[in-house]
Amino acid sequence: DQQVKQNSPSLSVQEGRISILNCDYTNSMFDYFLWYKKYPAEGPTFLISISSIKDKNEDGRFTVFLNKSAKHLSLHIVPSQPGDSAVYFCAASAPGGTSYGKLTFGQGTILTVHP
Amino acid sequence: GAGVSQSPSNKVTEKGKDVELRCDPISGHTALYWYRQSLGQGLEFLIYFQGNSAPDKSGLPSDRFSAERTGGSVSTLTIQRTQQEDSAVYLCASSLGTRDTIYFGEGSWLTVV
Repeated sequence: DQQVKQNSPSLSVQEGRISILNCDYTNSMFDYFLWYKKYPAEGPTFLISISSIKDKNEDGRFTVFLNKSAKHLSLHIVPSQPGDSAVYFCAASAPGGTSYGKLTFGQGTILTVHP
Repeated sequence: GAGVSQSPSNKVTEKGKDVELRCDPISGHTALYWYRQSLGQGLEFLIYFQGNSAPDKSGLPSDRFSAERTGGSVSTLTIQRTQQEDSAVYLCASSLGTRDTIYFGEGSWLTVV
């Protein structure tokens, strides 16, 4: 049962335009969401997170939006740069004293930003 | 270095053999996690350790998998009687506390032939 889904395996965007990566989840107990970025042969690196009490969090070129009623979150990158080309994973965590590191990940979306 | 360190970076083993994968977390981090990523899949939680508490083993796929963390620092993930479906990248991560951002190592690529 895939509790976190990234339905687009890949996304191609022109440099300078907006990249929008989407993620859906099914477990309504999730209360903390994160995006990780992964380059080949490297471990994932943390990008941005959002708590379920918010609907938007912004950090520089990266903004995460959360729509709890739709159980949907998205990552916007504006403007996109060739160095943003990587695999992006969305992840979610549940409350109840569990760790923010015990995460359920989506399958990832390969973002390619063309110069 | 200052990051999470894993060894070996690559391991090829024959089906049925046991393997051990090692993780050195970031100094001072009390929480340590193991994940794996099979080809074309997302990361799958395996186990996590927090200080001296009993580990959360809820993600281990079978009793062939075990992990220990000695002295609250280095961790070893052991896979006994390896199977071809165990082939994956095994990623270790650590965090300062359980509610802090986790930082991943580069992973150990395991191939079972």
